[in-house]
Amino acid sequence: DGGITQSPKYLFRKEGQNVTLSCEQNLNHDAMYWYRQDPGQGLRLIYYSQIVNDFQKGDIAEGYSVSREKKESFPLTVTSAQKNPTAFYLCASSILGGYTFGSGTRLTVV
Amino acid sequence: SQQGEEDPQALSIQEGENATMNCSYKTSINNLQWYRQNSGRGLVHLILIRSNEREKHSGRLRVTLDTSKKSSSLLITASRAADTASYFCATAIYGTSYGKLTFGQGTILTVHP
Repeated sequence: DGGITQSPKYLFRKEGQNVTLSCEQNLNHDAMYWYRQDPGQGLRLIYYSQIVNDFQKGDIAEGYSVSREKKESFPLTVTSAQKNPTAFYLCASSILGGYTFGSGTRLTVV
Repeated sequence: SQQGEEDPQALSIQEGENATMNCSYKTSINNLQWYRQNSGRGLVHLILIRSNEREKHSGRLRVTLDTSKKSSSLLITASRAADTASYFCATAIYGTSYGKLTFGQGTILTVHP
C-alpha cells in the first residue's frame, strides 16, 4: 500500500538536545511538507520541498532544519534553538494539490 | 495570521442531523480543500474545490465556494457517530508556490449516537 510513514509516533527530548523526526513516502510525490500543530489549533507550515535537493522555509522555520536528499525522504530536525518544541508534527506529500498526511509524531520536551 | 477562519469552533449534533461548517479566507485562492482529523491522527483529504467551481459533492459531503464573499461551507448530511472529528479548511493561495496550503483552526464536530 502506498502512503506516508512517520516515526517515531512519540518522542521525548531533553532540554538542549536536537532530535530528528523521520518522514518517508512511497507515493512518488515530488512535494513534501512539515507542519506543526498545537492543541486546539490549525496547522502551521515549517518547511516544504518541491523537488529533491531543494526546500524552502515556511511560516515558522526558526529552530528547525530539513534535508531532501532522496525523493522518498524528508526528515525534520528540531534543534535546541526551538524555544517551544512540544507539539504534534505532521508530514505530508502532494501531487496535483491534494495532500496525503502521515499519522504524526508527538514530541514532548522533558 | 491564519488565512482560513472557521466557524463554529465546535459543533455538537445528534446522529441523523446535518452538520454545516463554514470557512472564510482573506486573499485570492487557486483552490480550497477540506480535511478531517480524528483525535491524535493525521489529516485525511476530503474534497478539493477550485476557484472557478461553486459546488462539489462527494457522498454525504457537499462543499460550496463563494469567491465574492471569500467563503466556503462544508455540509455533512445524515451525520453518523463515526463523523466525530475535527474538520479543517485549507487554501492554496494564488501566486504562491504550487501546492503550499494554509490551514484554518478547525471545527470540532461531535455527533452523539
